[in-house]
Amino acid sequence: EAGVTQFPSHSVIEKGQTVTLRCDPISGHDNLYWYRRVMGKEIKFLLHFVKESKQDESGMPNNRFLAERTGGTYSTLKVQPAELEDSGVYFCASSQENTGELFFGEGSRLTVL
Amino acid sequence: QKEVEQNSGPLSVPEGAIASLNCTYSDRGSQSFFWYRQYSGKSPELIMSIYSNGDKEDGRFTAQLNKASQYVSLLIRDSQPSDSATYLCAVKRSWGKLQFGAGTQVVVTP
Repeated sequence: EAGVTQFPSHSVIEKGQTVTLRCDPISGHDNLYWYRRVMGKEIKFLLHFVKESKQDESGMPNNRFLAERTGGTYSTLKVQPAELEDSGVYFCASSQENTGELFFGEGSRLTVL
Repeated sequence: QKEVEQNSGPLSVPEGAIASLNCTYSDRGSQSFFWYRQYSGKSPELIMSIYSNGDKEDGRFTAQLNKASQYVSLLIRDSQPSDSATYLCAVKRSWGKLQFGAGTQVVVTP
């Protein structure tokens, strides 16, 4: 069974550009989470989907971040326009139940120059 | 005060010894606690979950929970070089959302 997959693994963009990160959760997992780790800091929650609905987006930094999960399968996280402070590793995780036992992808490293 | 606190390390442990990792949390109402292991450049991987006060053992790993002291710990017995990684303590919030500590780096030396 495939795990959580994320694309791209690494993206380098200029400040002001747009980047879209994609996450494919484990098949059948209704819960999908986005997290971010900024250099030297802890992994922080961004948002949570249950199927195609946003259950909690309290961790989204600002309106430059837009997440979607059309059809309740894969999810995208778009940053537009990117700022220097958006650099970090963006992790996606999924779970069948919302127990906290999450399966993580390997992350998408975003570097904004 | 951070919501979940861990010593960042690195924690240097001789091969075969016991590694002891500590974690404290601020929300007294927390009920579910997790330890994730993360190798450099890889995804966090769940290794232990604990929900009740006391000890929970799984192979060489033992998680300990003391809700009165708001304290969670992880013991790794017979430490191996393959245990060298960052260990993340996490506390469950609503709807499965996790609050992570910054992680403790463990280095097992042969």
